Order: sequence, then C-alpha cells, then structure tokens
Amino acid sequence: QSALTQPPSASGSPGQSVTISCTGTSSDVGGYNYVSWYQQHPGKAPKLMISEVSKRPSGVPDRFSGSKSGNTASLTVSGLQAEDEADYYCSSYAGSNNLVFGTGTKVTVL
Amino acid sequence: QVQLVQSGAEVKKPGASVKVSCRASGYTFTAYYMHWVRQAPGQGLEWMGRINPNNGVTNFAQKFQGWVTMTRDTSISTAYMELSRLKSDDTAMYFCARGFSNWYSDLWGRGTLVTVSS
Repeated sequence: QSALTQPPSASGSPGQSVTISCTGTSSDVGGYNYVSWYQQHPGKAPKLMISEVSKRPSGVPDRFSGSKSGNTASLTVSGLQAEDEADYYCSSYAGSNNLVFGTGTKVTVL
Repeated sequence: QVQLVQSGAEVKKPGASVKVSCRASGYTFTAYYMHWVRQAPGQGLEWMGRINPNNGVTNFAQKFQGWVTMTRDTSISTAYMELSRLKSDDTAMYFCARGFSNWYSDLWGRGTLVTVSS
C-alpha cells in the first residue's frame, strides 16, 4: 500500500489561507469517505483536525475545513495563525481493514 | 481523565524484540479500537495495525504481517504491541491511538521511542 501524496511544504502569511492536497487512488481516497487530517507539532503526538472528509471534532477551530473530489482530498486552513505552523498528515481507509497515511506537509506561517 | 499512557523508551539490539504498552484510562477500553502508528526520525506517519480490544481481533498493514503482534489485557485496560527481529530502521517513535470504526483516531499516546542499535 503506497502512501498518499501530499506536497512537502505549504506556506502563507498570517490571516491568509492555505490548502493542502492529499492524492490517492480509487482504492483509498476516492473509494471511501474515511479521510482524516492530523496536525503534528514538533515532538508531539498527532492531533485529529478533520475526520470523515469534512467533520471537525469539538474544539478544533472552524478555520480548518476538509473536502474531497475524486481521488484527492484537501485541508484548508483559513485565517492562518502562528500556532498553525506544524506538519499535517492525511489518512484514508484503503479497504481490507487497512489504513494509509499521506507523506506529510510542513505548513509555514510567514 | 481520558488518556493513553505509553511505556518508557527502549534501547534494543538488532534481532531482539520489543514490547510497548499503552494503558487507557477515562473511557471504556473495549469500546474503541487501538491503533499503532510509528514515525521514524524526521519521517512521516506509518500505520502498523489495530486491535479490537473487545475480542482481540487484529488487522495489520501488509508490511508488518508476521512480524508484529498486538494483544490486550482488558483487566488493566492495556494494549500491547510487540515487534520482533528488530533492525536499525525500526528505530522510531511508536504511538498508540484510540480508533473509531470510521478509521480515525481522536486520542493519541505521547509515543514510545524505540532505538535499535548494536
């Protein structure tokens, strides 16, 4: 099972928006609405930001939103803040009781 | 307090095995899956597999089949991950994470660093 493809990096100024893509195949991202997004600060455990493509857990700012089109899922962070600087990973169910993560994207707030 | 508490860092020699524990508290241990995810230094997240603490059924990523064992002890709300035949590139942080049936994890342990070195 190959990792989902994410851009290595993304950046934006405070207050701007940044969108991260997560590209898979019809066997994973495109085949199920089980895409999640995680934020990870250096030396910390990942934190769930979005589940099931676009559901935002309690406590996650509404600046974070998720979507999917075909085999590509996206995470958008609107109104960038300094604390949003982190690594972001997508994950997707890949069938046959398997999960696959994305390659990860480092978001820099300029 | 809802949390997952993992065992401490380990240093192992190549060829050895390591067993990492993850103790759940503040919620019903058997009501959620437990996933194991690893992260090599400076690298991304890698899903290893999961266990259903209710019945012990496991699912593994193909890469780890036959090589990793996941068990649980419901009497102490603890999940275990054992990795055998360790190699240097198994050096990583190993996380446990509470999982839902819709394949997302909302609660993560702090991680256990496993270092494999001769």
